[in-house]
Amino acid sequence: AQSVTQLDSQVPVFEEAPVELRCNYSSSVSVYLFWYVQYPNQGLQLLLKYLSGSTLVKGINGFEAEFNKSQTSFHLRKPSVHISDTAEYFCAVRTNSGYALNFGKGTSLLVTP
Amino acid sequence: ETGVTQTPRHLVMGMTNKKSLKCEQHLGHNAMYWYKQSAKKPLELMFVYNFKEQTENNSVPSRFSPECPNSSHLFLHLHTLQPEDSALYLCASARAELNTEAFFGQGTRLTVV
Repeated sequence: AQSVTQLDSQVPVFEEAPVELRCNYSSSVSVYLFWYVQYPNQGLQLLLKYLSGSTLVKGINGFEAEFNKSQTSFHLRKPSVHISDTAEYFCAVRTNSGYALNFGKGTSLLVTP
Repeated sequence: ETGVTQTPRHLVMGMTNKKSLKCEQHLGHNAMYWYKQSAKKPLELMFVYNFKEQTENNSVPSRFSPECPNSSHLFLHLHTLQPEDSALYLCASARAELNTEAFFGQGTRLTVV
């Protein structure tokens, strides 16, 4: 079985500051990793994904994440956030032994002026 | 617009009512999922359908009954719900190949009174 831990439930940050949202996973098999964003009263939108290859993946809206197998982490970063980045962010994992995504509890990113 | 459409967007029902949630995708996907998202709880996987066959049922109470008549449509039939079942219900679809992301609908906000 695999699980996902998002250590921070809330991350407040000022506009134009950098941000890192942390995600750790546990799995005994190979994994595929995803970050989704959810705006209020909306569904989930894919930000980026790691399937294989380069450990640094770039996504939409200027976000990127780095897969670190030794630390079983997949942290999400953005060098300069905007007010519009205020949303809930979810890390998810999918393994080669199951069909569905398993999600972390989410991190609420609040960007203020 | 993700290509996954859920109806209705909002639903208020009494505990003795019977209602159904509908999910539709025309992305050519062959796996479909129901997730429940409650306040302050992680996304809970409820059901997984792969090629119209139910492959996972995560201990969901029988008052929730899924139906997948074809690979493009997924229903969640509701009856005799409890107030604690109030939540955002999200449908997602994906290709059954494991290294792909899931696409989510906008969700149905369900309130049980």
